[in-house]
Amino acid sequence: KQEVTQIPAALSVPEGENLVLNCSFTDSAIYNLQWFRQDPGKGLTSLLLIQSSQREQTSGRLNASLDKSSGRSTLYIAASQPGDSATYLCAVKIQIQGAQKLVFGQGTRLTINP
Amino acid sequence: DTAVSQTPKYLVTQMGNDKSIKCEQNLGHDTMYWYKQDSKKFLKIMFSYNNKELIINETVPNRFSPKSPDKAHLNLHINSLELGDSAVYFCASNQQYSNSPLHFGNGTRLTVT
Repeated sequence: KQEVTQIPAALSVPEGENLVLNCSFTDSAIYNLQWFRQDPGKGLTSLLLIQSSQREQTSGRLNASLDKSSGRSTLYIAASQPGDSATYLCAVKIQIQGAQKLVFGQGTRLTINP
Repeated sequence: DTAVSQTPKYLVTQMGNDKSIKCEQNLGHDTMYWYKQDSKKFLKIMFSYNNKELIINETVPNRFSPKSPDKAHLNLHINSLELGDSAVYFCASNQQYSNSPLHFGNGTRLTVT
């Protein structure tokens, strides 16, 4: 059974710092890995999607890496800003009984202090 | 121009009642989902429909009955609501057999008293 774990559960850093969020998964048989952002009272917004054949993806100040063999992904946020404060979730796409679905981690609640 | 929209945003009701949540997507996706996010923020899939056909049913009590009249709509009806049903329910959609990201609605916060 695929399980996704995110560490730390919460993180608070001063504005301007670079930071890394971690995601690990137990089964390397994945189609892709996605990082999402969730703001309070809102749905999830997709940030980056890394296909199983890729090692990393970049979007602006965000860089996500994927090491399928070790079951790990990291989300690197450069020059953090207060607007980056949110909960960040990772999810892996797997196939089960002929259908594809995402399995989510529990998220890292990030606070950037001005 | 909201991509995935669900209504209502908030739903407060008493135990034993029946309620429905509606979801619509205008992205042309062939697959829609219902996810439940509990008080610990853990997001878990409940159902998935591909072109109006149920493809995932994750051991959800049969009090929960999804209905997909067409591939752009997926509604969730809940019978005999229980306290433990209180959560935020998210609708989402994507193109099933592709590497397109999942698009979420803003959620429906259900409170059962």
